[in-house]
Amino acid sequence: QKEVEQDPGPLSVPEGAIVSLNCTYSNSAFQYFMWYRQYSRKGPELLMYTYSSGNKEDGRFTAQVDKSSKYISLFIRDSQPSDSATYLCAMTRGGYSGGGADGLTFGKGTHLIIQP
Amino acid sequence: DSGVTQTPKHLITATGQRVTLRCSPRSGDLSVYWYQQSLDQGLQFLIQYYNGEERAKGNILERFSAQQFPDLHSELNLSSLELGDSALYFCASSLERTNWDLYNEQFFGPGTRLTVL
Repeated sequence: QKEVEQDPGPLSVPEGAIVSLNCTYSNSAFQYFMWYRQYSRKGPELLMYTYSSGNKEDGRFTAQVDKSSKYISLFIRDSQPSDSATYLCAMTRGGYSGGGADGLTFGKGTHLIIQP
Repeated sequence: DSGVTQTPKHLITATGQRVTLRCSPRSGDLSVYWYQQSLDQGLQFLIQYYNGEERAKGNILERFSAQQFPDLHSELNLSSLELGDSALYFCASSLERTNWDLYNEQFFGPGTRLTVL
């Protein structure tokens, strides 16, 4: 079993729909949870991060972490064709400087397609 | 543009050969990370350097090595290349924060696409 599981999709939804992306993980030591977006042939870019359990909202994006279930989610409201990309969840234990002292463990990514 | 640069963009080589990938972090970032992205394994952490010193190791093969130089740029050396080493190699960099609850965002470069024939 991989440490982080993520459905690769593709996930195709009409423009304006609410998108739900999620990951499950097995390592209870993870404390920092991130969502990265990756366009084709580009490097990943950070969308949001959450420390421990809870919700975080940023514009049309909401991230949720449930450490008791080892389950994280990303919701995209009012989805746009420009949101079409691969969405990668990532997590880390954090380190002596508060995060990033070890590498990120990624899910395989979900390929999202927003149809105009 | 993340501010992280990687060269070359593409590299085509043969099995058994050795290559060097180069990364320049964002100005002011002391940490450099290397990742490998392949279709079957996804994005995997290889190794991290902080201010010239190795800080963390992930799934890095013994045939691979890295270093970070005094000017903070980093190189990833891949030797005795195999077909399975064909992948995208990303470098990322981050600041180091002192607040324990802040994540050190890793900014990714555009990657080097390695093809081993």
